[in-house]
Amino acid sequence: GESVGLHLPTLSVQEGDNSIINCAYSNSASDYFIWYKQESGKGPQFIIDIRSNMDKRQGQRVTVLLNKTVKHLSLQIAATQPGDSAVYFCAENINAGGTSYGKLTFGQGTILTVHP
Amino acid sequence: GAGVSQTPSNKVTEKGKYVELRCDPISGHTALYWYRQSLGQGPEFLIYFQGTGAADDSGLPNDRFFAVRPEGSVSTLKIQRTERGDSAMYLCASSPTGIHEQFFGPGTRLTVL
Repeated sequence: GESVGLHLPTLSVQEGDNSIINCAYSNSASDYFIWYKQESGKGPQFIIDIRSNMDKRQGQRVTVLLNKTVKHLSLQIAATQPGDSAVYFCAENINAGGTSYGKLTFGQGTILTVHP
Repeated sequence: GAGVSQTPSNKVTEKGKYVELRCDPISGHTALYWYRQSLGQGPEFLIYFQGTGAADDSGLPNDRFFAVRPEGSVSTLKIQRTERGDSAMYLCASSPTGIHEQFFGPGTRLTVL
């Protein structure tokens, strides 16, 4: 079936390194993508989003890249800090019938561990 | 400002019982979503409200699950005849219009014994 998936379930980095979390999606009708961070016992926290008419979007210490040709999404975190340790989810919104509302399909998640 | 709030934070119930989970969205947000998250998995869509009406309830697993939003603000997810497989984190999210980023609440951890 159509789904959003992640290549790596866990990622361990040293404090100060850059982190890259990858995500594959299979639905070409997806027009909006979001990265969420979820800490233990908390709800997902919005990090950054990107629409399908863009290839790249930058935020504070984070960059999202979208490659529609291979249906791939990545989240880059610069100068990773221990506080970045969490589970990271990519999510896609499928534009069904031209009506795009925020029903999201989430991937499984990647556990990021940052060592001091 | 206040974010999305959910009550209770934890709910333990026995198989066969009825439960209600409450969500208070961010003031002014017209779109409200319910998701269910099992351990180690991403959230799964249950239902979407635009205002008072359920615009998409395709994610509700069966007719034991029902949700309402009578005044277009607070929403209640209702589960009848709970089963052990209903145990999960139930997340609520709201969005200004429905096509922007969703802001999630802390969730309600439901445990069915």
